[in-house]
Amino acid sequence: DAGVTQSPTHLIKTRGQQVTLRCSPKSGHDTVSWYQQALGQGPQFIFQYYEEEERQRGNFPDRFSGHQFPNYSSELNVNALLLGDSALYLCASSLAFGFSYNSPLHFGNGTRLTVT
Amino acid sequence: GENVGLHLPTLSVQEGDNSIINCAYSNSASDYFIWYKQESGKGPQFIIDIRSNMDKRQGQRVTVLLNKTVKHLSLQIAATQPGDSAVYFCAENPSSSNTGKLIFGQGTTLQVKP
Repeated sequence: DAGVTQSPTHLIKTRGQQVTLRCSPKSGHDTVSWYQQALGQGPQFIFQYYEEEERQRGNFPDRFSGHQFPNYSSELNVNALLLGDSALYLCASSLAFGFSYNSPLHFGNGTRLTVT
Repeated sequence: GENVGLHLPTLSVQEGDNSIINCAYSNSASDYFIWYKQESGKGPQFIIDIRSNMDKRQGQRVTVLLNKTVKHLSLQIAATQPGDSAVYFCAENPSSSNTGKLIFGQGTTLQVKP
């Protein structure tokens, strides 16, 4: 049973560039959440996708956008990269029952993004 | 406000001893709490969760205690092993209808001495 998979594992970008990160949820899961984890910090919620729509959003600017596909996989896009966007980006999946979620989040191993 | 914090940034224990990792939360409306373990280079790994209608839950070698009166959460690890060395995060779900948005604390580093 495949867990949450993310690609790429590492990425180096230059300030001002755009980046796309990808995530496949755990088998059987239909909800994907994205988190940003700065070095030495706990993960911070970016947004959540369910039924191909953004359902919740954390305190992140519009430069951060996402998408969910019919097969439940998801992308995180970040435009106009800043040095401060350097972090580990984590994808987490869960199973939604209607709009009431009762399963813990399962995380992937993340994409390490470095902005120079 | 939204804040989940940990009392100690680093905890060092002897192999075989019991470990207790503490966590304070500030959102009295939170109804669901989770402990995650994160090893170097990996994503957070689910350990155990507890809902606000419980005050104790046990898993394999782990126990979570919830004290809603003082908004305190703890993770107890029995017979700590070298493989338990990692950063431990507590997280809370501030909404009763969605477990997708979790608020994480800063984390406690557990070091197990052989």
